[in-house]
Amino acid sequence: QSVLTQSPSASGTPGQSVTISCSGSTSNIGTNFVYWYLQLPGTAPKLLIYRNHQRPSGVPDRFAGSKSGTSASLAISGLRSEDEGDYYCASWDDSVSGVVFGGGTKLIVL
Amino acid sequence: QITLKESGPTLVKPTQTLTLTCTLSGFSLTTGGVGVGWIRQPPGKALEWVALIYWNGDRRYNPALKSTPFVSEGNSANQVVLTLTNVDPLDTGTYYCAHSTVAARAGFDYWGPGTVVTVSS
Repeated sequence: QSVLTQSPSASGTPGQSVTISCSGSTSNIGTNFVYWYLQLPGTAPKLLIYRNHQRPSGVPDRFAGSKSGTSASLAISGLRSEDEGDYYCASWDDSVSGVVFGGGTKLIVL
Repeated sequence: QITLKESGPTLVKPTQTLTLTCTLSGFSLTTGGVGVGWIRQPPGKALEWVALIYWNGDRRYNPALKSTPFVSEGNSANQVVLTLTNVDPLDTGTYYCAHSTVAARAGFDYWGPGTVVTVSS
């Protein structure tokens, strides 16, 4: 059972927009930054969003992160087939003095 | 260019000790603010954070693990070693090491390709 809660799956058609949510608590998302990762099949995760909404170099602006209270969201616009994969949120948790991950959301591009 | 690569045994028996090595390139754990984390993923399941070590020797561990982790610098400045004692079949999975910084504690911006470990008798 993951500390951060994500919906198991999401889907959309090419060109559409989709939002993936991540719910936590005051000890993690409520007081610390949120990070988003994309894991394509058979590969290591890749950092998509850092510090709630910042994008690393090379990540297109179709990916947008936001945070409000103890929840965070990742919005993906202009869906492409290559966006299909598993998305994970993560945050620092002060109650365990460590990193907590969400259970992951599998995005399917129909 | 920052890269990381994990290495270690592919098969370990229950109750034994698992030792994995992360070889760093393009950075060193002696650089201020740098951290290296270990994250694992059981087959078909979610990512799970295992441990973190920072340049100043600060170590953090996931308290929910059944096995006991220990993370340390290896024999050279470009290695980080993860030890899991008294392993259980639940420790089976792909183990990743990743670069982080103290300013981005849950942010792992460079990852190794991962190494697969099976715990079975």
